Amino acid sequence: GAGVSQTPSNKVTEKGKYVELRCDPISGHTALYWYRQSLGQGPEFLIYFQGTGAADDSGLPNDRFFAVRPEGSVSTLKIQRTERGDSAVYLCASSPTGQGTDTQYFGPGTRLTVL
Amino acid sequence: AQKVTQAQTEISVVEKEDVTLDCVYETRDTTYYLFWYKQPPSGELVFLIRRNSFDEQNEISGRYSWNFQKSTSSFNFTITASQVVDSAVYFCALSEAMRGNNRLAFGKGNQVVVIP
Repeated sequence: GAGVSQTPSNKVTEKGKYVELRCDPISGHTALYWYRQSLGQGPEFLIYFQGTGAADDSGLPNDRFFAVRPEGSVSTLKIQRTERGDSAVYLCASSPTGQGTDTQYFGPGTRLTVL
Repeated sequence: AQKVTQAQTEISVVEKEDVTLDCVYETRDTTYYLFWYKQPPSGELVFLIRRNSFDEQNEISGRYSWNFQKSTSSFNFTITASQVVDSAVYFCALSEAMRGNNRLAFGKGNQVVVIP
């Protein structure tokens, strides 16, 4: 079946602008995760959704970052007043139940460049 | 707190050589899960293996094998008879799942370059 998809694949924006990044998880997966990967680093956790609710948002770096998953499927990561330091690849993953026995399956990522 | 250390940043090998990637983890939980992912140049993270803390059996899958040693908190990965297609960044990750914390903590990755 289809894997996790993310759009856009690349986003270039100017400092101070607002951006939205979209994630479409594997059909039927209740758990959805966002990670951020800077150059030369491993992915870092941002937020985890179980259904429609954010079960753990402790990885969001500050209040400019916000994510929603209104219908328990597609999720949008929103970044306000973007800064150059926000430039990174934003990865989305989904898993069947969100339990510890799950494996997270990743999308191709959105490469965000803030000029 | 979770922590995963992958000390070797870049490893170059000639095709058909074996390569071993080291992963050392830290956790206070007794129940946890360890993972290896592959990130080829295309950028997508590809799941390779999951291992739970109660299963110390080593595993072999084709040219890939994994050695889990709880006593040294290590979960090392070996590619036997490397091929050019193995060139990628490999990440080790840890999840302390029983706390309800399903987040993955990743190491910095090992860049493997296989020279033809």
